[in-house]
Amino acid sequence: DAKTTQPTSMDCAEGRAANLPCNHSTISGNEYVYWYRQIHSQGPQYIIHGLKNNETNEMASLIITEDRKSSTLILPHATLRDTAVYYCIVRVGTTSGTYKYIFGTGTRLKVLA
Amino acid sequence: DAGITQSPRHKVTETGTPVTLRCHQTENHRYMYWYRQDPGHGLRLIHYSYGVKDTDKGEVSDGYSVSRSKTEDFLLTLESATSSQTSVYFCAIKRAGGETQYFGPGTRLLVL
Repeated sequence: DAKTTQPTSMDCAEGRAANLPCNHSTISGNEYVYWYRQIHSQGPQYIIHGLKNNETNEMASLIITEDRKSSTLILPHATLRDTAVYYCIVRVGTTSGTYKYIFGTGTRLKVLA
Repeated sequence: DAGITQSPRHKVTETGTPVTLRCHQTENHRYMYWYRQDPGHGLRLIHYSYGVKDTDKGEVSDGYSVSRSKTEDFLLTLESATSSQTSVYFCAIKRAGGETQYFGPGTRLLVL
């Protein structure tokens, strides 16, 4: 059962910020939010993750609401190469001590020239 | 790419035949995962491994078995392939002590 909800598709002008929303209203207190993207049919590529604080790295920023029920991935200056499917994922623990990802269906971001 | 290769990259097979997909990693990672990706479903976890001979089921494990007899290889077997198992299969690894999964290039399987 997917624990995340994302819009099916979005467009963004090249050079502008792309803001991709995600709802995860049933997330538990110790479950992380991860973002990956998939370009064409390649394997998913890690972008960023967080628990409750906002996070930033060289690729993107992640804003998580205080109640943790939603988050937004921000690509500050989108380029044509950012055209991809973006997945918001909840990471949950398993009884064997590792973690598994629960993927949603993703947002198809198209960056327009 | 975390040293992950998958083989074969493409396969066409017939219903009822056995199929084995291989995930190979060169960096001695403890945790390995098999996912399938289908339109409208994102990626779904089939099985995962947390060490040699240690495996567990994911969300969609029916019809699949796995084996991990050595650290570097994680095998996914379809004992008797069905058309519903036509999909793209991704392997992933996680470094011990790390928090992020890294994915392989995928295997496209078509079951006729």
